[in-house]
Amino acid sequence: DTGVSQDPRHKITKRGQNVTFRCDPISEHNRLYWYRQTLGQGPEFLTYFQNEAQLEKSRLLSDRFSAERPKGSFSTLEIQRTEQGDSAMYLCASSQSGSGYNEQFFGPGTRLTVL
Amino acid sequence: AQKVTQAQTEISVVEKEDVTLDCVYETRDTTYYLFWYKQPPSGELVFLIRRNSFDEQNEISGRYSWNFQKSTSSFNFTITASQVVDSAVYFCALRAGGDDYKLSFGAGTTVTVRA
Repeated sequence: DTGVSQDPRHKITKRGQNVTFRCDPISEHNRLYWYRQTLGQGPEFLTYFQNEAQLEKSRLLSDRFSAERPKGSFSTLEIQRTEQGDSAMYLCASSQSGSGYNEQFFGPGTRLTVL
Repeated sequence: AQKVTQAQTEISVVEKEDVTLDCVYETRDTTYYLFWYKQPPSGELVFLIRRNSFDEQNEISGRYSWNFQKSTSSFNFTITASQVVDSAVYFCALRAGGDDYKLSFGAGTTVTVRA
């Protein structure tokens, strides 16, 4: 079990550019989550997949954000026309359904800096 | 709506002292789940402990223990005999029961353990 992995770990981009992040969950986990964490705050929920279906999106996920999980395995999060306010750590987590606790295991995150 | 409050922003202790982290939550659900996560300087959130709303038995796991009290909506976490490696940001998180799987996090408490 290799845990949740995310790529890249760091991304610096200029305002207005598009960026895409990838998340590979723990292999047997069917649920995948994206969170955003700004400095000094706890993570905030963005969106959640069960297999390939995107079941919930937060109001934080503006039209410039899109997430996919095409084959129910890895997921991508794309931000179009980045703004300085998008600078944050983007965290991916996965869990396995069937457990009441559904504890989520997190990846190392992708730190985005928008100049 | 779920809300988690961690009133302590920072705690600094000397090695071997005990550290207790406070967490107060708000929820309208009768079934819910509570978690503590640790975020070391490397950035990856690490799952520590969990508790469900219908089990108020407090437990000890190694140097970690927790005190769950529904009457006061509190889920406090204690590290016994702290070590330098315990230095990190600690987050309390809440998840509703049923099909709502997103975690609501507090703002975190930064723990610094000095040698």
